[in-house]
Amino acid sequence: DTAVSQTPKYLVTQMGNDKSIKCEQNLGHDTMYWYKQDSKKFLKIMFSYNNKELIINETVPNRFSPKSPDKAHLNLHINSLELGDSAVYFCASSQDFGLAGGGRMQFFGPGTRLTVL
Amino acid sequence: EDQVTQSPEALRLQEGESSSLNCSYTVSGLRGLFWYRQDPGKGPEFLFTLYSAGEEKEKERLKATLTKKESFLHITAPKPEDSATYLCAVEGYGGATNKLIFGTGTLLAVQP
Repeated sequence: DTAVSQTPKYLVTQMGNDKSIKCEQNLGHDTMYWYKQDSKKFLKIMFSYNNKELIINETVPNRFSPKSPDKAHLNLHINSLELGDSAVYFCASSQDFGLAGGGRMQFFGPGTRLTVL
Repeated sequence: EDQVTQSPEALRLQEGESSSLNCSYTVSGLRGLFWYRQDPGKGPEFLFTLYSAGEEKEKERLKATLTKKESFLHITAPKPEDSATYLCAVEGYGGATNKLIFGTGTLLAVQP
């Protein structure tokens, strides 16, 4: 059974389009994340949600909007796609025992490779 | 600002040739230092968490150690299946809980 799954695996689209990436975790975790990995393999956090509440919101263009319908799902919607959005996007999750915790291992999904033409 | 620097960028070893990967970090209070392994086309896979200087953790041929300024991932008698990119990340008390700052990784190639 896949712990953290993402769909689609690959996404090729034109500039200006709107697209969504879906993420689901079956680990029972209460915190989920979106990361972006650029062409140089640098992995940077974009957002985190804890029990459907936005916790981390990095300096990301507001064209990116995460949505968490429940604590097992975290989707990423991207409006007006630009060439620079091309990257691999990873979803992750972790189990926390209250926001004062931290230091918890994060489990990553397989990634979605987004190519904007 | 929290920062992580990994070296070398790439490392080529012969099977059985032990070596170490370095992760230097600056952080305002270390909440945790993490090592991940990433295979091509896959997501990072968790290896270790270290919380305080002097701590060590082992898993098969891998051993992670931690000082106040750096962490080492020692690979003993590596095998070709150990080939991957190894990522180091830190979580500091100065930042948001669970905010990991990653280094750019070390690409390890182990030749038979």
